[in-house]
Amino acid sequence: DAGVTQSPTHLIKTRGQQVTLRCSPISGHKSVSWYQQVLGQGPQFIFQYYEKEERGRGNFPDRFSARQFPNYSSELNVNALLLGDSALYLCASSLLGGGLQETQYFGPGTRLLVL
Amino acid sequence: GESVGLHLPTLSVQEGDNSIINCAYSNSASDYFIWYKQESGKGPQFIIDIRSNMDKRQGQRVTVLLNKTVKHLSLQIAATQPGDSAVYFCAEKGGYNKLIFGAGTRLAVHP
Repeated sequence: DAGVTQSPTHLIKTRGQQVTLRCSPISGHKSVSWYQQVLGQGPQFIFQYYEKEERGRGNFPDRFSARQFPNYSSELNVNALLLGDSALYLCASSLLGGGLQETQYFGPGTRLLVL
Repeated sequence: GESVGLHLPTLSVQEGDNSIINCAYSNSASDYFIWYKQESGKGPQFIIDIRSNMDKRQGQRVTVLLNKTVKHLSLQIAATQPGDSAVYFCAEKGGYNKLIFGAGTRLAVHP
């Protein structure tokens, strides 16, 4: 079975540009969460989507937005890129939206470099 | 605020030895904790989890211990192998599906 997939694997952008990252959850999973991982740090929660609705948001500016599609795949959009947005963007999927022992499975991430 | 942190940034062990990776958390109301392993160029991989009503949980070659009194979590890896070399994160589950990660501990296994 395929795990969580993300595209693209790597991306280079310049300041001020916009970027869209994509995630496909594990088949049957309805919840997708996005995390930002800066080099040398642990992942930081950005968003959670369940059944196409935003269920949680981390401490990130409005330049960050996301959506979930009827097939449960998701896109993360970042506008007006800053140098500090350079990071590994991780997508995690889980079966439901918030069960106590619900394991989140991570994809390989998209490495974004902003120049 | 909430935080989950790790004491040691790097742990070096000999192949075959046991490894212990430690983690402190700050939210005494937290009731679910997870350990992830992250290899270079990959996303975090689930290792083992534990609920706050447990003190210990064992998996294959791994054991997680939870001490709620001092808000401390540890991951023990038995007979450490070169393939165990990675960065290990403890995470605390916040609201909804939010995971709160620490900075990570790098485990280096030497032959």
